[in-house]
Amino acid sequence: EAGVAQSPRYKIIEKRQSVAFWCNPISGHATLYWYQQILGQGPKLLIQFQNNGVVDDSQLPKDRFSAERLKGVDSTLKIQPAKLEDSAVYLCASSRNPGQPQHFGDGTRLSIL
Amino acid sequence: AQTVTQSQPEMSVQEAETVTLSCTYDTSENNYYLFWYKQPPSRQMILVIRQEAYKQQNATENRFSVNFQKAAKSFSLKISDSQLGDTAMYFCAFIVYNNNDMRFGAGTRLTVKP
Repeated sequence: EAGVAQSPRYKIIEKRQSVAFWCNPISGHATLYWYQQILGQGPKLLIQFQNNGVVDDSQLPKDRFSAERLKGVDSTLKIQPAKLEDSAVYLCASSRNPGQPQHFGDGTRLSIL
Repeated sequence: AQTVTQSQPEMSVQEAETVTLSCTYDTSENNYYLFWYKQPPSRQMILVIRQEAYKQQNATENRFSVNFQKAAKSFSLKISDSQLGDTAMYFCAFIVYNNNDMRFGAGTRLTVKP
């Protein structure tokens, strides 16, 4: 089966600019996750979708981050405006259901200048 | 709160030898899953092995096996016959059954030396 697809692979922007990331999960996976992985740390969950509904966004900085999964398939994560501390790898993952093994995409490495 | 601790930031092993990576976790829940993920420089997180807390038998996946000690809340990963391709960051992760938030440890950087 095809894996989780993410784009772009790299992105460099200046602080205060906006950026968007795209994720297409594995077909049939109802649950989609966005993680932030800062250099030297493990991934931290930002938001979880079950189909097109948000299940958990308690760790999402909602003043600048937003995410949607309108049709319950692919998803976008947006940052506006970006801050220096947002420099990280943004990983998307999907699973058939919550608690099941998560399959990860290659991630997007975001650098803020 | 659920936490995952990996006390070894870096480890190295000679090719063909065996290495054990440590992981401890803290939870008051009884039903949960534990995972080991591998993250090579390509950045993709690859599931290595999975353990259900209700199973007493340790999970095994080819050269990878775990030592799951539920009472001690310990979940170590043993890699046998290490290969150069095993060089990567290894993350221990934990999720409560039907919960939303998978918690990761800080990772252990494993280098396999020829």
